[in-house]
Amino acid sequence: EAGVTQFPSHSVIEKGQTVTLRCDPISGHDNLYWYRRVMGKEIKFLLHFVKESKQDESGMPNNRFLAERTGGTYSTLKVQPAELEDSGVYFCASSQVRGTLHFGNGTRLTVT
Amino acid sequence: AQKITQTQPGMFVQEKEAVTLDCTYDTSDPSYGLFWYKQPSSGEMIFLIYQGSYDQQNATEGRYSLNFQKARKSANLVISASQLGDSAMYFCAMREVNSGGYQKVTFGTGTKLQVIP
Repeated sequence: EAGVTQFPSHSVIEKGQTVTLRCDPISGHDNLYWYRRVMGKEIKFLLHFVKESKQDESGMPNNRFLAERTGGTYSTLKVQPAELEDSGVYFCASSQVRGTLHFGNGTRLTVT
Repeated sequence: AQKITQTQPGMFVQEKEAVTLDCTYDTSDPSYGLFWYKQPSSGEMIFLIYQGSYDQQNATEGRYSLNFQKARKSANLVISASQLGDSAMYFCAMREVNSGGYQKVTFGTGTKLQVIP
């Protein structure tokens, strides 16, 4: 089966610009998670979708971040406008009900 | 309070030796699970091993074993017979189930393991 795929793998943008990250979960996985790792720190939870619904978005840092999962398939995470502190690696993961999280390769975002 | 604590930012181990990566956790959930993931320099997150809180025996997967000490709330990863390809970041993570019945997985800060030839 195809794994979790994320696009793009890298993105370099200027402060104030907009970036949209995409995640395609494993087919049949209703649970989709977004995480972020800032250099040297923990992998921090951002939010959790169950199908198309946001089950937990307690980790979203502020209203510059908008996540969607229309139709319960792929998800997008938009950062608008980007700030320097948004730089990091954004991971997407999917799972079955309470199964192991399967991660994508991440998107490395650099805001300059 | 930190839910997952990995106190070793970096570790070195000689090739073919065993190494233990520490992980302690904090939860009041009676039913939880503990994971270890490996992140090589290429960036992907690779699932290694899982231990459920009610599992009677320590989990093992090939050269990986999880030293689960429930009373001490520790879930250390033991890698036996280290190989050069084991050089990577290692993350400990904990799964809890929230009031809605959904799992939430929390990660530690990671330990960077370097295997020396």
